[in-house]
Amino acid sequence: KAGVTQTPRYLIKTRGQQVTLSCSPISGHRSVSWYQQTPGQGLQFLFEYFSETQRNKGNFPGRFSGRQFSNSRSEMNVSTLELGDSALYLCASSLDGAGGSPLHFGNGTRLTVT
Amino acid sequence: AQSVTQLGSHVSVSEGALVLLRCNYSSSVPPYLFWYVQYPNQGLQLLLKYTSAATLVKGINGFEAEFKKSETSFHLTKPSAHMSDAAEYFCAVSVGGGTSYGKLTFGQGTILTVHP
Repeated sequence: KAGVTQTPRYLIKTRGQQVTLSCSPISGHRSVSWYQQTPGQGLQFLFEYFSETQRNKGNFPGRFSGRQFSNSRSEMNVSTLELGDSALYLCASSLDGAGGSPLHFGNGTRLTVT
Repeated sequence: AQSVTQLGSHVSVSEGALVLLRCNYSSSVPPYLFWYVQYPNQGLQLLLKYTSAATLVKGINGFEAEFKKSETSFHLTKPSAHMSDAAEYFCAVSVGGGTSYGKLTFGQGTILTVHP
């Protein structure tokens, strides 16, 4: 079974621009979550989608948004980029997103904002 | 709210020695607990999970962890370290219920170094 696929692997953007990251979950997984990883703040939860609906959201500004398509693929968008948005963005999928369901992570998209 | 504390941001062992990575959690309801490993330039790989069945959980690559409710701990061990175990390890907690969909709360991570 193919794992979680994230594209692109690397991105370099300028302050003020916007960016879209893509995630394809494991086949059969309907829940997709997004995380931000930085050296200072560690791993932080952004949001979770299930059946095209956002069910849970972390403590991030509205510049961070996402969506999920009918095939469970997900995209994450960051608008008006700031230097502090430089991070590794990880997508994870699970069968149903419930507490006991383990998350399976992709290799991430490394975003650098200059 | 849940929280996780990993004691020791860096742990160094010799090849063949015992690996012990410490994790303490805080949760007002029964938790689900996980250990993940991250190699450079990669995502997180699930090592093992505790979901209220056996308190001693065996995972991949020879790792295991024991859930101790009285100590609110979930320490990760491996009897004999290999060079390939060098990586960063994360302990994480989640709970049931709608506010926890897709959400893991992670510790700050422990970087394991293995010396030949």
